[in-house]
Amino acid sequence: GIQVEQSPPDLILQEGANSTLRCNFSDSVNNLQWFHQNPWGQLINLFYIPSGTKQNGRLSATTVATERYSLLYISSSQTTDSGVYFCAVFGSSNTGKLIFGQGTTLQVKP
Amino acid sequence: GAVVSQHPSWVICKSGTSVKIECRSLDFQATTMFWYRQFPKQSLMLMATSNEGSKATYEQGVEKDKFLINHASLTLSTLTVTSAHPEDSSFYICSASQGGTDTQYFGPGTRLTVL
Repeated sequence: GIQVEQSPPDLILQEGANSTLRCNFSDSVNNLQWFHQNPWGQLINLFYIPSGTKQNGRLSATTVATERYSLLYISSSQTTDSGVYFCAVFGSSNTGKLIFGQGTTLQVKP
Repeated sequence: GAVVSQHPSWVICKSGTSVKIECRSLDFQATTMFWYRQFPKQSLMLMATSNEGSKATYEQGVEKDKFLINHASLTLSTLTVTSAHPEDSSFYICSASQGGTDTQYFGPGTRLTVL
């Protein structure tokens, strides 16, 4: 099956810093989603991004499907950005199943 | 829009009892619902996929007689953990979509502790 790898596994930032999180996947995918899991466990949809670039406030994401990776950019980080960031892909079998990476744990210090 | 709720948000039960968790899509019709399990500091593991009116499809290694899933309507799916044991303690999360590779929206999760 498809393998999804995220890097780095852990990241500590000072408030105001920028960061880039990476998601590599091993095969063709129909789509890709980025999520933020807050400290209470809620998964929040950030981006649904099969290809190209999208921006939402301080966050942006780019997926290069032909090279099998996606990047999540966080600019001017805030303490509320802390949590775990997951990318998840839909396999090409069109089953709707999401395959999750292991996540990047981000801690933003004041 | 696209809100998914779960109830209860946390539950503590005794070993051997059964626990039911509800997942509702509040403002859209969910053709497909998914149930995940998450252990501390780990990623989400898909347990099963359910389509409204059909039997759930379980992932390899998930006991279908232990984790009963019912998707009786386009807005409600339930997961029943039968004869719960301490090793079933985990964070259970549902998601809902309008089918295919459409965006999945996640519920807030249910933390189950079995004593």
